[in-house]
Amino acid sequence: AQSVTQLGSHVSVSEGALVLLRCNYSSSVPPYLFWYVQYPNQGLQLLLKYTSAATLVKGINGFEAEFKKSETSFHLTKPSAHMSDAAEYFCAVSASFGNEKLTFGTGTRLTIIP
Amino acid sequence: KAGVTQTPRYLIKTRGQQVTLSCSPISGHRSVSWYQQTPGQGLQFLFEYFSETQRNKGNFPGRFSGRQFSNSRSEMNVSTLELGDSALYLCASSPWDTYEQYFGPGTRLTVT
Repeated sequence: AQSVTQLGSHVSVSEGALVLLRCNYSSSVPPYLFWYVQYPNQGLQLLLKYTSAATLVKGINGFEAEFKKSETSFHLTKPSAHMSDAAEYFCAVSASFGNEKLTFGTGTRLTIIP
Repeated sequence: KAGVTQTPRYLIKTRGQQVTLSCSPISGHRSVSWYQQTPGQGLQFLFEYFSETQRNKGNFPGRFSGRQFSNSRSEMNVSTLELGDSALYLCASSPWDTYEQYFGPGTRLTVT
């Protein structure tokens, strides 16, 4: 079975500061990992995905994440926070291609301080 | 391409009633998945359909059911609604050859 744990349900950073959202996974098979963002009253938007190619994955809006097998982590970072980054972020894991079930973490609400 | 559309966007039902939600995937996408989002339980997988067949199912009671049509459009049905079924129901579609799921805006169901 697959699972993800997001550390910190709320994270606040100042505008221009580094954003770091933590995600650790558990998987019995090589995982496929994703980060999604959800703005108020909207669905989920895919930020980036890891599918066993490069361990450093670049996504949209300046976000990137690094897959670290030894630490079972897939943390999301952005060098400089922008006010528009305020949203809820979800880490998710999928077992394999063709198994479309995503298991989500509990989410991290990111607040940007002006 | 148009994104995933879900109708209706908002719905209010009474306990004991049934409800049907609709999802139109992105053109060309053959897989449709449904998720329930609540403040207490977070995002939970309901089921996934591919080429009109249920390929995967989450841990929900039989009151929750779904189907997919030949044009890939999908519906989910919840019978005998309970207060705890109040949630945002999200639909996601994906093409057959990638791992990416594209989500619709959701249907917010309120059961009173």
